[in-house]
Amino acid sequence: NAGVMQNPRHLVRRRGQEARLRCSPMKGHSHVYWYRQLPEEGLKFMVYLQKENIIDESGMPKERFSAEFPKEGPSILRIQQVVRGDSAAYFCASSPGLEREQYFGPGTRLTVT
Amino acid sequence: DQQVKQNSPSLSVQEGRISILNCDYTNSMFDYFLWYKKYPAEGPTFLISISSIKDKNEDGRFTVFLNKSAKHLSLHIVPSQPGDSAVYFCAATLSGSARQLTFGSGTQLTVLP
Repeated sequence: NAGVMQNPRHLVRRRGQEARLRCSPMKGHSHVYWYRQLPEEGLKFMVYLQKENIIDESGMPKERFSAEFPKEGPSILRIQQVVRGDSAAYFCASSPGLEREQYFGPGTRLTVT
Repeated sequence: DQQVKQNSPSLSVQEGRISILNCDYTNSMFDYFLWYKKYPAEGPTFLISISSIKDKNEDGRFTVFLNKSAKHLSLHIVPSQPGDSAVYFCAATLSGSARQLTFGSGTQLTVLP
């Protein structure tokens, strides 16, 4: 049973470009979460999605960030017009449903130059 | 406002001895707690969890203790092994539809051979 997959693992963008991060949940999991980890800090919640629905985006910055989880295909976290402060590790997690445990992917390390 | 705190950024323990990692929380609405282990350049790996209706949960070498009145939990690893060297994150979640995990800042455990 494959785990949570994220790609790319590393992404370098210049200031002002767009970053697209992809996440495929574990098989049978219909809940997806995105977290961000800045250097020397813990993970911070960004957004919680189910198929075709955003359930909770209370941790998402109001501008430039968006997320989707379409009926078919991976979940996408999109960052428009990236700035240096967006440089971080972005982790996706999934869960099957009612269970509280979330299972994490390997992360995407975004570097903005 | 840090709702989940891990006050020890690092801990060193001799191989074979007990490792005790501590975590405090401030939000009394949290009702489920989890511990994750994280190696560099990888995603967090789920270790063990505990519901607020319990005060102890054990899984092999790992035991989590919860003291609700003190809003404190701890992870015990016995016996500690060099492969346990990693960053350990405590996380908490609320009941209901708010599924986001609130993480502490982590404790770097080093098990010395």
